[in-house]
Amino acid sequence: EAQVTQNPRYLITVTGKKLTVTCSQNMNHEYMSWYRQDPGLGLRQIYYSMNVEVTDKGDVPEGYKVSRKEKRNFPLILESPSPNQTSLYFCASTSRQGIAYGYTFGSGTRLTVV
Amino acid sequence: AQTVTQSQPEMSVQEAETVTLSCTYDTSESNYYLFWYKQPPSRQMILVIRQEAYKQQNATENRFSVNFQKAAKSFSLKISDSQLGDTAMYFCAFMKNFGNEKLTFGTGTRLTIIP
Repeated sequence: EAQVTQNPRYLITVTGKKLTVTCSQNMNHEYMSWYRQDPGLGLRQIYYSMNVEVTDKGDVPEGYKVSRKEKRNFPLILESPSPNQTSLYFCASTSRQGIAYGYTFGSGTRLTVV
Repeated sequence: AQTVTQSQPEMSVQEAETVTLSCTYDTSESNYYLFWYKQPPSRQMILVIRQEAYKQQNATENRFSVNFQKAAKSFSLKISDSQLGDTAMYFCAFMKNFGNEKLTFGTGTRLTIIP
């Protein structure tokens, strides 16, 4: 089944403790993005990648890091999480040919930083 | 920068009725894509319908259709014969044709279908 897999689905952590949210897609997509969803703000792009080793900042990159060492994986790293990073996170992917059909989203990661 | 505005934070409608969700956007681009995504309580983001800006014909997918007014920068979603399973948050999204192919989302409309 073609899908974007995110893990974990839920995560509660403490301020300052480094964490990684994994994202993997099995569709050989070039484009991958991370979004965060907050009430009243919709979804905002954090980082994106147009291919292996090509990443760039989105609208709200502060406090986050990403890497794209393999085409299928695009982990999101919070090196020192803070409570304002409590949010619902989505990874999404699409192909260069399929861009007009939008992105396929993972099932989301609910992160709480206390 | 592009912006997307959804002016209806919440809506409710009786089952089997028709409902229209509003979306306006601001862009200087001439070639772009517009999308409506549905987010049910499961929180999965599901593509409902899409529109390519260069196509004048409004997109239709079964009970879902759009009213795309390019000059007015308006992209409303009509749901006909609404069903309980349509209860969800609906997001309008814009993507330009070139660049990082970022989706710019509106703030969403929470739609409740009343039995």
